Amino acid sequence: AQTVTQSQPEMSVQEAETVTLSCTYDTSESDYYLFWYKQPPSRQMILVIRQEAYKQQNATENRFSVNFQKAAKSFSLKISDSQLGDAAMYFCAYTAQGAQKLVFGQGTRLTINP
Amino acid sequence: AAGVIQSPRHLIKEKRETATLKCYPIPRHDTVYWYQQGPGQDPQFLISFYEKMQSDKGSIPDRFSAQQFSDYHSELNMSSLELGDSALYFCASSLPDRRDEQFFGPGTRLTVL
Repeated sequence: AQTVTQSQPEMSVQEAETVTLSCTYDTSESDYYLFWYKQPPSRQMILVIRQEAYKQQNATENRFSVNFQKAAKSFSLKISDSQLGDAAMYFCAYTAQGAQKLVFGQGTRLTINP
Repeated sequence: AAGVIQSPRHLIKEKRETATLKCYPIPRHDTVYWYQQGPGQDPQFLISFYEKMQSDKGSIPDRFSAQQFSDYHSELNMSSLELGDSALYFCASSLPDRRDEQFFGPGTRLTVL
């Protein structure tokens, strides 16, 4: 069974600085997708960034970028120039190619200090 | 841009009652997914539908059932409610050729008293 692990229950960063959230996963599949979702206090699940496993290039979306290490089964999220609006719970998620369900990690609560 | 619509947004029920949650996917999305997020927990996959057929099943209790209709909206029916069913229920939808990218609705918060 596929599992996703986020070992940092909480993280904090000063506004305008950079923070990295960690995620590891376990799978025997070769084709899959990885995601970072943001859940602010409104509880809405917002897709931040996605990565296809077959792509070696790390995905980037403005201030958000990932470090995808396929061999190590690691998928970290880097947030640059942190803003107060980035404060939220961040979930790492996995889905296999052709699968239906997302498997989520336990989440990391990110606090931005002004 | 149109988003996934869920109704109701909040629902309060007594133990042993029934509840029906509705989900209206983004236009042209043919696949619908249901997730349950308990307090302080990560979302757990319940069930999904593709073209009105159940396509995958997760940790959905036998007391729950769901279906997708001809207009692609979906309903999650929950019977004999228990206190532990109190949670945020998300619906998500995806395009036919992009099932790797799920867009989530705002969720329905169910409270069982």
